[in-house]
Formats: sequence, structure tokens, C-alpha cells
Amino acid sequence: AQSVTQLGSHVSVSEGALVLLRCNYSSSVPPYLFWYVQYPNQGLQLLLKYTSAATLVKGINGFEAEFKKSETSFHLTKPSAHMSDAAEYFCAVGFKAGNMLTFGGGTRLMVKP
Amino acid sequence: DGGITQSPKYLFRKEGQNVTLSCEQNLNHDAMYWYRQDPGQGLRLIYYSQIVNDFQKGDIAEGYSVSREKKESFPLTVTSAQKNPTAFYLCASEVGVNYGYTFGSGTRLTVV
Repeated sequence: AQSVTQLGSHVSVSEGALVLLRCNYSSSVPPYLFWYVQYPNQGLQLLLKYTSAATLVKGINGFEAEFKKSETSFHLTKPSAHMSDAAEYFCAVGFKAGNMLTFGGGTRLMVKP
Repeated sequence: DGGITQSPKYLFRKEGQNVTLSCEQNLNHDAMYWYRQDPGQGLRLIYYSQIVNDFQKGDIAEGYSVSREKKESFPLTVTSAQKNPTAFYLCASEVGVNYGYTFGSGTRLTVV
């Protein structure tokens, strides 16, 4: 079965430190890949998406993600964490055109001052 | 601006009552979705509709019902058969999976 795994339900970093949130998927066919952010009591907001144009994708708020086919990964990074980055992050994968997205379980990012 | 509107933001229901959550979009998207979110459990799909007058059960449809009479609207009714309805409910729509989903701001339902 096709699946999306986010390693670590909670990640804590210090302000100014590197943010790395992991996402792996199971598929032999390059999928559509997305990262969403959710602030408390709000809906999900699209951070960035990969649709095969370039393997390194830049998104909003300084985030970027790299598609690595050999590792079936799409990890999200930000060089320097800010307090305002504290939120829950979801990786989502569309395994083929016309299908629904499959969401990972989410990673809550905490930023310490 | 185009988007998805969920209302109300907060909703309180007495046990044994049905309640309907509204979801309206002006994005001209064909597909719409309802998700339930509980702490630590991610997103769970309740129902989805890929075209007007047609909808499918998701992973946790028991105790819920939907309708899709108009392209713009996809209301969710939480019935008295839903034993634990207190949760955050999210509506989403999409024009094609390669574009991703657009989400509403959610409705928090509390049973009192």
C-alpha cells in the first residue's frame, strides 16, 4: 500500500538553528509532493510543492525541500528557525494524477528561545 | 479573493443532536473533502466528492453524512450516531491532485 511517513511526531530546535523535518513515501513512480503548515486552530496552508520541474523546491517563509528519488524522500529544511515557525507540518503525496493526496501523520515543530 | 469558507468557527452541540458544518468554495474546484483532526492523530478522511451529486465514504464515515447539490457547497452533518464528535473539522478542495489542496480555516465542534 502507498504510504507517507513523517519521522518524529515532535521536533524541538533552538531559535536560529537548522530545521529538518523528514518525509518518506512508498512509490516506484515519482509522485506529486507537498508540505503544508498548520498554526493552532487554523487550516492547512501550502508551504511548497514538487511537481517534477526541479528537485530543490523553495517555498514560503524561507523553507525549502529536496526531492530525492533514490531515497524516496522529500525532507523540509530551513537554515535558521524563528519563533514564528512553531507549528505543525504535514507532508502530503499524490501518487498519480487524479488520485487523492495521502497525508503523513504530521510533525509538531517547537522552537526554543 | 477565491477561497474556502467554513462556518461557524466554533460550534457547540448537545448530546443527541445533529449539527451541520458549512463549507463553501468559490474556486471552481470539482473535488471537495472533509477531514477530522484529533490531537496527535493527523488528518482522517470522512467523506469526499469529486463531482456534483456524487460522494464517497472515507476512512471514518460512520456517524456522518454529506450532500453535494452544488459545485460550491459540501456541507457535513454530524449525526447523533457519531459517538465522539468533539474534534476539529477541515474542509478542502482541489482542481487536480498535482496542484494540491486548498483548505478552509476549520470548525471546532464541542459536545456539551
